[in-house]
Amino acid sequence: NAGVTQTPKFQVLKTGQSMTLQCAQDMNHEYMSWYRQDPGMGLRLIHYSVGAGITDQGEVPNGYNVSRSTTEDFPLRLLSAAPSQTSVYFCASSPVGPNYEQYFGPGTRLTVT
Amino acid sequence: AQTVTQSQPEMSVQEAETVTLSCTYDTSENNYYLFWYKQPPSRQMILVIRQEAYKQQNATENRFSVNFQKAAKSFSLKISDSQLGDTAMYFCAFIGGSNYKLTFGKGTLLTVNP
Repeated sequence: NAGVTQTPKFQVLKTGQSMTLQCAQDMNHEYMSWYRQDPGMGLRLIHYSVGAGITDQGEVPNGYNVSRSTTEDFPLRLLSAAPSQTSVYFCASSPVGPNYEQYFGPGTRLTVT
Repeated sequence: AQTVTQSQPEMSVQEAETVTLSCTYDTSENNYYLFWYKQPPSRQMILVIRQEAYKQQNATENRFSVNFQKAAKSFSLKISDSQLGDTAMYFCAFIGGSNYKLTFGKGTLLTVNP
């Protein structure tokens, strides 16, 4: 049972490049989410999904796209990277319901130059 | 929209002593859930404790306990018998009963000194 996995662990992009951050979970959780963590800002919700085919925006969705074709996977796409997207990105999953603990992946550190 | 405020950016405590981290929140919802997460230097997010707003009894987990004051919208974390391994960033988080959006505070960096 690997829990929540994220790839890559580190990434450097040039401004304007695109890439996809991968997130997968093997706990059969319906709820998955993406956060970004910036110094002094805590974690901020980017997008979330309550099941395959269902996604919605969080607090800071601009510049990011998501889709959910399977229960296990929830990739985050940066279409045209900007320096403001330099951050640490966390994926999390849980059963659907506000009372459940969210299980976090190890994070991806992204630098956009 | 809900907000979560942690007013102490940094705190330090001596090993074996007790420390309290503060958290306040703002919401118009009556049913919600509160969490404390710990992020050690490894960067891994770990749930410390959770509290359901409809429960009057304060949650406890071993050395960790909360003081939940619903009317004051306050949710502080008390760590007893602090250990070096408690050194971490601590985040308070809120989720309303009617949505799926977890809102975090900005965090408190706790250092436990030997």
